[in-house]
Amino acid sequence: QKEVEQNSGPLSVPEGAIASLNCTYSDRVSQSFFWYRQYSGKSPELIMSIYSNGDKEDGRFTAQLNKASQYVSLLIRDSQPSDSATYLCAVPGLQMNTGFQKLVFGTGTRLLVSP
Amino acid sequence: IAGITQAPTSQILAAGRRMTLRCTQDMRHNAMYWYRQDLGLGLRLIHYSNTAGTTGKGEVPDGYSVSRANTDDFPLTLASAVPSQTSVYFCASSDGLAGSEQFFGPGTRLTVL
Repeated sequence: QKEVEQNSGPLSVPEGAIASLNCTYSDRVSQSFFWYRQYSGKSPELIMSIYSNGDKEDGRFTAQLNKASQYVSLLIRDSQPSDSATYLCAVPGLQMNTGFQKLVFGTGTRLLVSP
Repeated sequence: IAGITQAPTSQILAAGRRMTLRCTQDMRHNAMYWYRQDLGLGLRLIHYSNTAGTTGKGEVPDGYSVSRANTDDFPLTLASAVPSQTSVYFCASSDGLAGSEQFFGPGTRLTVL
């Protein structure tokens, strides 16, 4: 099982709809979770961080975390064509004895929002 | 404007040539990272540095080397480029605390012929 899994998509939604992006992870002790947005040809941009169970809202974005089920999701309300991008989920991996803890990235879900 | 810069933006390189990708951050972050991103494979960690003076190997370190002489700079060197190193390379930084978020530079698109 991959450490972080996402459906590659594309996920197609009409403008104004809610887009729901899901991510599952394998490390039960993970404490922080991140969503990045990556436009084609650009670098990943951090859009949401969530650390505790439940929902975290930021504008049109809501991150949902369920540690018991080991999934984190991102909801985008009132989706806009400008939201069309690849969304990457990232979860800290195992902490090494050097103290280093890498971020493990999913391969991303491509979202297409049609006008 | 605070952030991470990378140079060059893109480069076409003959196989066997030496190449250094530059990365500079002005956020005073302790930790820095180099990733490559290939279609279908996602982001893969090449090397990292927890703090100035220390470096470590990531998932795909072969053919690459790094140095961290100071907090701000983290160059990535390809000693003898091969076509399989054709990729988009991203530098990132974080405050270095375990599990903290990372911030990415704009990337370098490298083509090795």
